[in-house]
Amino acid sequence: DQQVKQNSPSLSVQEGRISILNCDYTNSMFDYFLWYKKYPAEGPTFLISISSIKDKNEDGRFTVFLNKSAKHLSLHIVPSQPGDSAVYFCAASLGFQKLVFGTGTRLLVSP
Amino acid sequence: ETGVTQSPTHLIKTRGQQVTLRCSSQSGHNTVSWYQQALGQGPQFIFQYYREEENGRGNFPPRFSGLQFPNYSSELNVNALELDDSALYLCASSLGLAGMQETQYFGPGTRLLVL
Repeated sequence: DQQVKQNSPSLSVQEGRISILNCDYTNSMFDYFLWYKKYPAEGPTFLISISSIKDKNEDGRFTVFLNKSAKHLSLHIVPSQPGDSAVYFCAASLGFQKLVFGTGTRLLVSP
Repeated sequence: ETGVTQSPTHLIKTRGQQVTLRCSSQSGHNTVSWYQQALGQGPQFIFQYYREEENGRGNFPPRFSGLQFPNYSSELNVNALELDDSALYLCASSLGLAGMQETQYFGPGTRLLVL
């Protein structure tokens, strides 16, 4: 039972353009959502999070949008840079409990 | 740099053996969680410890066990290793404030190969 889904295994974007990574979830009880970035041979690095009481959170080039009615969240990266090339995981949790991860989207930003 | 370290970085074992993986959390972080990441998948929750007590467990058999120590270090033990246990094992630490939404910070992982 995949409660968090990332349906696009990969995404290619040109440098300077917007990258949009999508994530869907099925459990309406999730109240906290996070995005992590992962480079090969490293652990996931926290990027940005959003509480279920909000619909948008911004941090520099990264913005996360949450649509609770659609059970959908997205991560926007503007402008995209080659150093953003990595695997991006969305994750959801119930308060301080376990994180449930999606399967990841590999982003490639070309110069 | 998350301040979370794991050892060893790589490990090769044979089927049936036992393994112990170690994690050192950020100072002051009372919660440690362990995850298994198989190739091409997202991390899967194994269990979580809060102040040395197990605080939740995922869908993993009892041969996966853990310990957390007062000095912010922890262990993941796996008995009777199976080929499917080959994966990246990640630990993550967080403050452990009851009822608070928290960010978990991950270590670099231990890659285990079972032959």
